[in-house]
Amino acid sequence: QQPVQSPQAVILREGEDAVINCSSSKALYSVHWYRQKHGEAPVFLMILLKGGEQKGHEKISASFNEKKQQSSLYLTASQLSYSGTYFCGTELREYGNKLVFGAGTILRVKS
Amino acid sequence: DTEVTQTPKHLVMGMTNKKSLKCEQHMGHRAMYWYKQKAKKPPELMFVYSYEKLSINESVPSRFSPECPNSSLLNLHLHALQPEDSALYLCASSRTGVRGPNNSPLHFGNGTRLTVT
Repeated sequence: QQPVQSPQAVILREGEDAVINCSSSKALYSVHWYRQKHGEAPVFLMILLKGGEQKGHEKISASFNEKKQQSSLYLTASQLSYSGTYFCGTELREYGNKLVFGAGTILRVKS
Repeated sequence: DTEVTQTPKHLVMGMTNKKSLKCEQHMGHRAMYWYKQKAKKPPELMFVYSYEKLSINESVPSRFSPECPNSSLLNLHLHALQPEDSALYLCASSRTGVRGPNNSPLHFGNGTRLTVT
């Protein structure tokens, strides 16, 4: 049930863009994205519910392709503060109220 | 500052000890969760309480016993743990559950770092 995230890690310079992907082998109801900095709690970024939905949060946006059971997180013009581990959490159509996280993508932004 | 408060921040216990982890939120959220996180791994769901009733138990060993005394509090009672249970234990809450109206995000506490010796 665990979604698959890629890449496992990415290193960027400030101002560069990155894409993090999340996919599931089962039908999804929703996809959540969270960021966790070292030694801190995961922090919510956004939820995507409907097929084809896209959401934006400053320079961070995401899309959800319900038919392909995939979501992508887009980070544009990255800043040092974007560094951390990004987790997608997926909720399957068949199981409500159960959010399962992918293995995570470590993002490091260098100056 | 997180709105979900977990105590203690750190806990060291022997395999024969009994201890409890506590979690508190005052956001009026009606769903609360326990996750376990090992180093460099994602949070792993353990239990879900919805409206103070246990709705999901992810086949967690009985040495972990959750309790939800009221809508603001969530406890995790620990007994006879093993060294492999050492991890960061995260509590989270959401307004009405992940699949409630408007699909609520999870608000995480900073966790309790547990070491079993």
